[in-house]
Amino acid sequence: EVQLVESGGGLIQPGGSLRLSCEASGFAVSDNYMSWVRQAPGKGLEWVSILYSGGRTYYADSVKGRFTISRDNSKNTLYLQMNSLRAEDTAVYYCCGAVNVYYYYGVDVWGQGTAVTVSS
Amino acid sequence: DIQLTQSPSFLSASVGDRVTITCRASQDISSYFAWYQQKPGKAPKLLISGASTLQSGVPSRFRGSGSGTEFTLTISSLQPEDFGNFYCQELKTYPYTFGQGTKLEIK
Repeated sequence: EVQLVESGGGLIQPGGSLRLSCEASGFAVSDNYMSWVRQAPGKGLEWVSILYSGGRTYYADSVKGRFTISRDNSKNTLYLQMNSLRAEDTAVYYCCGAVNVYYYYGVDVWGQGTAVTVSS
Repeated sequence: DIQLTQSPSFLSASVGDRVTITCRASQDISSYFAWYQQKPGKAPKLLISGASTLQSGVPSRFRGSGSGTEFTLTISSLQPEDFGNFYCQELKTYPYTFGQGTKLEIK
């Protein structure tokens, strides 16, 4: 079964760091275009970052220079390292991937989400 | 950045109704476009990829159409389980912007 399971969310103080993990099963993260999307409380979806199968990365301007997307092929896991966290980074973070569709046509596999709260 | 204008923001309809949600892009995005449904407390679910391709397992009452700058999601006969928030997304240029969402309520 194709599945993504996120972990690592929690309460963190402004300026702190957090690393989100997303373990995949049923497919290889290294073979697919993997992304992070977030959703602030009561708000819409916001694309955060993408990691190409070839290793290229892109980020939303709102997180550029603070967040880093990466993967560990041996653990079949995607990561999001979040530094210099701000209150406006508070959101549910979804790991997702284009597994059965071309990445430029949609994202078909989503994790359940992990909540990050940035507050003192 | 490409802007997506999704309308309406809120929609209340009855079972059996035909429902249409529209998304307009600020520039030509060809068919690099998707529709998602999100239910409360759940992850988004891909309904339509490439503007018009129905995903496996999605009921045929859902239909996506359009290309370029104008896109439409149509539910031909609304069912009770179709409630939720619907989002469009462009996938032509980073950041892959989402529309602001349409909340669909079943009367």
